Amino acid sequence: DVKVTQSSRYLVKRTGEKVFLECVQDMDHENMFWYRQDPGLGLRLIYFSYDVKMKEKGDIPEGYSVSREKKERFSLILESASTNQTSMYLCASSLGRTGNEKLFFGSGTQLSVL
Amino acid sequence: QKEVEQDPGPLSVPEGAIVSLNCTYSNSAFQYFMWYRQYSRKGPELLMYTYSSGNKEDGRFTAQVDKSSKYISLFIRDSQPSDSATYLCATRTDSWGKLQFGAGTQVVVTP
Repeated sequence: DVKVTQSSRYLVKRTGEKVFLECVQDMDHENMFWYRQDPGLGLRLIYFSYDVKMKEKGDIPEGYSVSREKKERFSLILESASTNQTSMYLCASSLGRTGNEKLFFGSGTQLSVL
Repeated sequence: QKEVEQDPGPLSVPEGAIVSLNCTYSNSAFQYFMWYRQYSRKGPELLMYTYSSGNKEDGRFTAQVDKSSKYISLFIRDSQPSDSATYLCATRTDSWGKLQFGAGTQVVVTP
């Protein structure tokens, strides 16, 4: 089975800190995604990557950046954390680009910014 | 206005009942439709997908798409307590389009 591993289950940070969220997938998937999930808003796409060193903005990229130096690893960076970035962050990967491609999700990182 | 609307629930049903979930969407260009299931403290997992209009059945689960009314449905027959989860609909225009998720409906199946 595909495994998508997120480095932390819970994270507490202070306003203004730089925050790194790490994600690793073990199935040689081309595509990787970062979503945030908030009650009533569902999953919103922050950034995605279709290849190493490539990145594209999703629907809500402001305040975030990403890094993909290796195929299996996709990092989400909060340059200066703010309280409105308190959320559940979900990483996902997929094999190719078909209309019904299956996303494999990690278990999420619950980030609290105080 | 969100592109995909979904009632957040919670929807509580007794064991053995039929669970009926639905979403509406606004973009007539959406062609691929999916349902993801998310258990508490887990990431979503793909449950079913359909292309364009029509029905698809997989065991106790049936997915329906009515493109004329922009309506997506998921039915769970003979519901079990293990079906208690949040169900998210998702859709996209084509293989290059971004996946748009609904907010998710929480389902509770009581023994």
